[in-house]
Amino acid sequence: SAVISQKPSRDICQRGTSLTIQCQVDSQVTMMFWYRQQPGQSLTLIATANQGSEATYESGFVIDKFPISRPNLTFSTLTVSNMSPEDSSIYLCSVEDRGLARGDTQYFGPGTRLTVL
Amino acid sequence: TQLLEQSPQFLSIQEGENLTVYCNSSSVFSSLQWYRQEPGEGPVLLVTVVTGGEVKKLKRLTFQFGDARKDSSLHITAAQTGDTGLYLCAGVRYSSASKIIFGSGTRLSIRP
Repeated sequence: SAVISQKPSRDICQRGTSLTIQCQVDSQVTMMFWYRQQPGQSLTLIATANQGSEATYESGFVIDKFPISRPNLTFSTLTVSNMSPEDSSIYLCSVEDRGLARGDTQYFGPGTRLTVL
Repeated sequence: TQLLEQSPQFLSIQEGENLTVYCNSSSVFSSLQWYRQEPGEGPVLLVTVVTGGEVKKLKRLTFQFGDARKDSSLHITAAQTGDTGLYLCAGVRYSSASKIIFGSGTRLSIRP
């Protein structure tokens, strides 16, 4: 399994500002994912971040709003730009584990709880 | 529209009772996982099922993958307060091997 940490764990931000969330993994991984989760609800995939290439965004999410960096195989950042209260959510990063277990298992970080005023 | 529908959405039962959570879809999945998430933490994998009709047991938890690989269930026997949390099923479709789709979630509360 992979151990994943995220910074910050929570933040309260003003409308119109931007926040960058960091995700660090304790091993090298090919694919990293960024999710958004409304409290108590399911996860929505924002984008897939591969090292050395541009992130692939899901329908409804765009690079200008959620720019992603993936400078190496153990680190990624997600920026929430020009925030509005609708961006208040929990943001989670995850990594995929292939080979150790059947199926495409994902391991998750603890999440970043964002509140936009 | 949620591709993976879970039922019930919310469930509150007394400690010691049994319960079943369902995860249904019209799509076929190559594998399906169940996760549990507690407040302030990310989801944690409980089990992966791969074969149609497969049944896996994890102590008091029993997971079943439907024969047609479109649905799954999670049964908890003699629920404990520590079972409280958000339960998420997640599937990988044959056509999109690199993307996991999460279910709508079931919030379970076990009363002492």
